[in-house]
Amino acid sequence: EVQLVESGGGLVQPGGSLRLSCAASGFTFSNYWMHWVRQTPGKGLVWVSRINTNGNNTPYADSVKGRFTISRDNTKNTLYLQMDSLTAEDTAVYYCARGGLVVSGFSLPFDYWGQGALVTVSS
Amino acid sequence: QSVLTQPPSASGTPGQRVTISCSGSSSNIGENHVYWYQQLPGKAPKLLIGRNDQRPSGVPDRFSASKSGTSASLANSGLRSEDEADYYCAAWDDRLNGVVFGGGTKLTVL
Repeated sequence: EVQLVESGGGLVQPGGSLRLSCAASGFTFSNYWMHWVRQTPGKGLVWVSRINTNGNNTPYADSVKGRFTISRDNTKNTLYLQMDSLTAEDTAVYYCARGGLVVSGFSLPFDYWGQGALVTVSS
Repeated sequence: QSVLTQPPSASGTPGQRVTISCSGSSSNIGENHVYWYQQLPGKAPKLLIGRNDQRPSGVPDRFSASKSGTSASLANSGLRSEDEADYYCAAWDDRLNGVVFGGGTKLTVL
């Protein structure tokens, strides 16, 4: 059974940092694109970033470029999101989501999602 | 402001057919596959329609999707109370080099 479990969310002050983790199981993690998607409470879904197998293809949404860093450890089947210089606008539930097989050339769909990790940026 | 445009709400009575539209541009829907997601209250989103309008295992066949040019639509051919949820379209955007979502449509079963 495919499972994605996020951890590392919490309350952080503006300007602070936080690292989210997403532990994957039930599939060959290294074969898939992985993504982070966020959702402000009561609002819609917003894509944050994507990573390929070896981590050398990592586009970001303009809103987080230069502040967030996506990475993965295929030996630990874990996806990460390092978030720096956080602002109130980054308050959201952060989901990790499995993309397509890298060999398919399609980075979508998000066929499995984690349960979400709430990040609250507030003083 | 979302890159893909969806109506904020839709509604229908049980058994009725309802469609949700998703409008984009040549850099996203015009050139790439469109995906649809269902999000029940308090839950993570779930893939409803994948590439080539395929439904993942377990998704009822009353859900279908279509695309024409830079627009797409999701159809529900027979509304049920359990279909009350938020629905999102998504696609890769070649110009933005990222995934773009619609703003979501809240479907209410009257």
